[in-house]
Order: sequence, then structure tokens, then C-alpha cells
Amino acid sequence: QQQVKQSPQSLIVQKGGISIINCAYENTAFDYFPWYQQFPGKGPALLIAIRPDVSEKKEGRFTISFNKSAKQFSLHIMDSQPGDSATYFCAANAGGTSYGKLTFGQGTILTVHP
Amino acid sequence: GAVVSQHPSWVICKSGTSVKIECRSLDFQATTMFWYRQFPKQSLMLMATSNEGSKATYEQGVEKDKFLINHASLTLSTLTVTSAHPEDSSFYICSAEPRDSGTYEQYFGPGTRLTVT
Repeated sequence: QQQVKQSPQSLIVQKGGISIINCAYENTAFDYFPWYQQFPGKGPALLIAIRPDVSEKKEGRFTISFNKSAKQFSLHIMDSQPGDSATYFCAANAGGTSYGKLTFGQGTILTVHP
Repeated sequence: GAVVSQHPSWVICKSGTSVKIECRSLDFQATTMFWYRQFPKQSLMLMATSNEGSKATYEQGVEKDKFLINHASLTLSTLTVTSAHPEDSSFYICSAEPRDSGTYEQYFGPGTRLTVT
């Protein structure tokens, strides 16, 4: 129930295209859904996050879409650039006694071809 | 702002020795820090939650006597891998949430690559 399932495992997109990564969860106590970008040998960097009271959040080229009833959320990267090539992780957090404990998805390796 | 540093960035040690990894929040205070472990091409697994002024809480399956955590101040947490063995070789990453932020936003350090020979 604590799992967050992420797909696809890898994704290849042409420069200028849209990259879409999906995540699904079971635990209805999750109330915070961040996305992280990680480059090889580096720690994850927070990209964008959403709470379940909104269905969409946009920051620059990054958009999170959230479907509470389906327990799914996705990251859309518009106008993908070669510099976006990295591993992307979705995550989820519940409050209460699990406050701060992030459960990560399996990760998606994104490659953007020039 | 919200920068987290780790030291060292990489370390090689011999089997049976202990290694200490430091995690510092440089421009904010954090009552809680988290330690993760990441194997190559895999996701991050939470090991433990480090609480300033109290004992760390460990996730199921993590040996607390092997991975000693000390949260000495509001800006420093340390992870000591005791009696390290080759299977402890991994990428260790810490994160911290700014004190009283209430946002759930966590900021991650750059990670420490541990290789045990």
C-alpha cells in the first residue's frame, strides 16, 4: 500500500517534444506529491510538487496533472531539451506519523535527442 | 537558498572499518533530516529519520547498530556505517526539510559514494 508505481522505465523524446511520465499510488493518506530530477552522481532536485486539492500545477515547462479519483499523477515536460536528460522520480508523502517520509517511484530515465 | 551539503562526496574504505558521513543544511535549520540509500540504477530507499535532540527512527530492515545516526544540531546530521562490508557499498543521500516550513518540501544533498573493499 505504500508503493508508488512509476512508468515508463525509460523514455526517449526528440528535442521540442513532450515528455510524459506517470505514477500511480494506493495509499489514500498520501497528501503531497513531488517530482524530483536526478543527474548521474548527484542528489535529487525538487522540480515541482502538488497537493490533492488541485488537479494541475504548472511551473515553466513542467506541469503536474493529478487525478485523485484514479489515484494517479503525471509529469509533463513541454518543449523537452537535451539538458532535461536525467532520471525523474515521482514521490508521495503522508502526514501524521509518516510526516516527511517520502516513498519514491522506481524512476524514469529520460533521454532527449537533439 | 535551501542548500544541503554532504561530506565526503566519495569515500573508499576497507572492510571492517567505520565511515562517517556528514549532512549539513547550509542556509536553514532542520529539526528533521532523512537518510536514503540508492543502488545503481535504482530508486531511493529511506533508511532512517534523524531527529534533532532525540534518537533516530529506522525503517524496517535497517540495522540501527550498523548505521548510527546522530543529529547533533539543527544543521548537522551524521551517518556512521560501522564495520563496513562490501555489501554496504552504495550511494548515501540525505535530505532536510526547513524547520517550521509546513510545506513538506525536502531538499537533498549531493550524495556520498561509499565503496568498501
